[in-house]
Amino acid sequence: EAGVTQSPTHLIKTRGQQATLRCSPISGHTSVYWYQQALGLGLQFLLWYDEGEERNRGNFPPRFSGRQFPNYSSELNVNALELEDSALYLCASSPLLQAGKNQPQHFGDGTRLSIL
Amino acid sequence: KQEVTQIPAALSVPEGENLVLNCSFTDSAIYNLQWFRQDPGKGLTSLLLIQSSQREQTSGRLNASLDKSSGRSTLYIAASQPGDSATYLCAVRKYSGAGSYQLTFGKGTKLSVIP
Repeated sequence: EAGVTQSPTHLIKTRGQQATLRCSPISGHTSVYWYQQALGLGLQFLLWYDEGEERNRGNFPPRFSGRQFPNYSSELNVNALELEDSALYLCASSPLLQAGKNQPQHFGDGTRLSIL
Repeated sequence: KQEVTQIPAALSVPEGENLVLNCSFTDSAIYNLQWFRQDPGKGLTSLLLIQSSQREQTSGRLNASLDKSSGRSTLYIAASQPGDSATYLCAVRKYSGAGSYQLTFGKGTKLSVIP
């Protein structure tokens, strides 16, 4: 069974540009979560999608947005990039919401976003 | 607001030693607690999940305990090996409204096992 896959592995952008990160969940998982892991700050919850809808978002500005497609894959978009957006962005997936609350989240290897 | 603290931030031990990693959380109304391992530049690997009604979980050389009332969990690693070197993260899951169960992570303990 394939795990959570993320692309690209690395992404280099400059300030003010826009970045798009992609995530494919484990087959059968409908929930996708996005996290930011910046140096020294630990993992911070960004967004949660389930069945194509945004269910919850963390304490991040609106320039962080995303969507979930009918096949449950997801995109994270970051507009007007700032230097402090440099981080490892991790995607996780879990099964259906009702069952998922007791299930562990499975993580991908992340996308390393570097802002120059 | 839930806060998760992991102590120590870094730990270095000789191979073969037993060790304990600590995790504390401020809000005891959690749904479950999960321990993860993260290798450099990689994602997270789930090690153990403890439901709020459980006291401990075991997997191989790993044993995790949970004392929800005091807001504490420990991860015990027996007979440590160099391959155990990684950052260990603790995360608690809590109902955050509107059908949402949110994970809050600690900053991790970086473990180095010296051959």
